[in-house]
Amino acid sequence: NAGVTQTPKFQVLKTGQSMTLQCAQDMNHNSMYWYRQDPGMGLRLIYYSASEGTTDKGEVPNGYNVSRLNKREFSLRLESAAPSQTSVYFCASSEAASGGYEQYFGPGTRLTVT
Amino acid sequence: QQQVKQSPQSLIVQKGGISIINCAYENTAFDYFPWYQQFPGKGPALLIAIRPDVSEKKEGRFTISFNKSAKQFSLHIMDSQPGDSATYFCAAIDYKLSFGAGTTVTVRA
Repeated sequence: NAGVTQTPKFQVLKTGQSMTLQCAQDMNHNSMYWYRQDPGMGLRLIYYSASEGTTDKGEVPNGYNVSRLNKREFSLRLESAAPSQTSVYFCASSEAASGGYEQYFGPGTRLTVT
Repeated sequence: QQQVKQSPQSLIVQKGGISIINCAYENTAFDYFPWYQQFPGKGPALLIAIRPDVSEKKEGRFTISFNKSAKQFSLHIMDSQPGDSATYFCAAIDYKLSFGAGTTVTVRA
């Protein structure tokens, strides 16, 4: 089992460019999440998908879109990248969205926007 | 505005010492309180977790203390080892996971 995989590992974008971060999990989990991690701010939830076919905004959704492609895959799209979106992005999955289910995290994507 | 407040931001402890990290929350809808451990270049991983009807939970050298009336909880790392050097995040769940800002722990050999 690979767990949660993310591609790419590193990316540099120019302001205004677009890109999609890919995430896949092989644990048959229902819920998936996208976080960003910035120094001194912990992890902040961007979007989540409680189950296949549903997506909801988290704490910091502006400038991002998501697609729950199927039960395994959850992608995060930046339509017009801004320097403020320089961050480390983590995808996570869990069996369910609440009730204490453990979230399993991927290795992260380090994004720099110049 | 962070829903879970964590302190200190960083701490240094000698090998064999005790590391203590504190967290506080306001949202009484939180019903599960996990701690995550993150090593550089890796994603966070669940370390230990507690429900609010339990005052203490111990797993090996790691102990969570929970004070429901004060809305505070803490992580104690006993007999700290260099391999414990990492960033620790407290968190709380209602329908989603809210993280504290993190504490970087450095254990000196």
